Amino acid sequence: KQEVTQIPAALSVPEGENLVLNCSFTDSAIYNLQWFRQDPGKGLTSLLLIQSSQREQTSGRLNASLDKSSGRSTLYIAASQPGDSATYLCAVMSDYKLSFGAGTTVTVRA
Amino acid sequence: NAGVTQTPKFRILKIGQSMTLQCTQDMNHNYMYWYRQDPGMGLKLIYYSVGAGITDKGEVPNGYNVSRSTTEDFPLRLELAAPSQTSVYFCASSYSKTGGGYTFGSGTRLTVV
Repeated sequence: KQEVTQIPAALSVPEGENLVLNCSFTDSAIYNLQWFRQDPGKGLTSLLLIQSSQREQTSGRLNASLDKSSGRSTLYIAASQPGDSATYLCAVMSDYKLSFGAGTTVTVRA
Repeated sequence: NAGVTQTPKFRILKIGQSMTLQCTQDMNHNYMYWYRQDPGMGLKLIYYSVGAGITDKGEVPNGYNVSRSTTEDFPLRLELAAPSQTSVYFCASSYSKTGGGYTFGSGTRLTVV
């Protein structure tokens, strides 16, 4: 059974600082890994999808890396802004199902 | 641009009551999913469907049922509600079996008292 862990559970940083969010998974036989953003009381929004054959994916200030063999992914958010405050969830696709971590709740202080 | 629409947004049920959570998508996605999210936890898969007429159990199916008579709709039925089913329920869809175009609804917050 795939287990996904996210560390830390919560993070508070001043505006402008870079954010580093970590995700680990137990079974390296994955199709892809996705990072989602969840705002309070809202659904999830897909941020980045990294295929198992890729090492990283970038979108604007966001960059996600994937090391499938060691079961790790890292989401980097450059020059954080108060609007980046949200919960970020990592999910891996294996056996045609997504397995989610519990998320990292980020607060960016103005 | 509706995407995935869930109704209702909030509901309070008494123990033993039944209800149906509605989910509809307008993107012609074959794959649809139901998840529940408990406080401080990741999402857990309840049921999924790979196309009209085809459904299968996920990680936590007990106490729930689903049907998929059309591509657009994937309702989730709760029979004999229990306090353990208090949670936020999310419906999602995707166009590929490996999760391409994964789109979530805004959720239904259910409380069983």
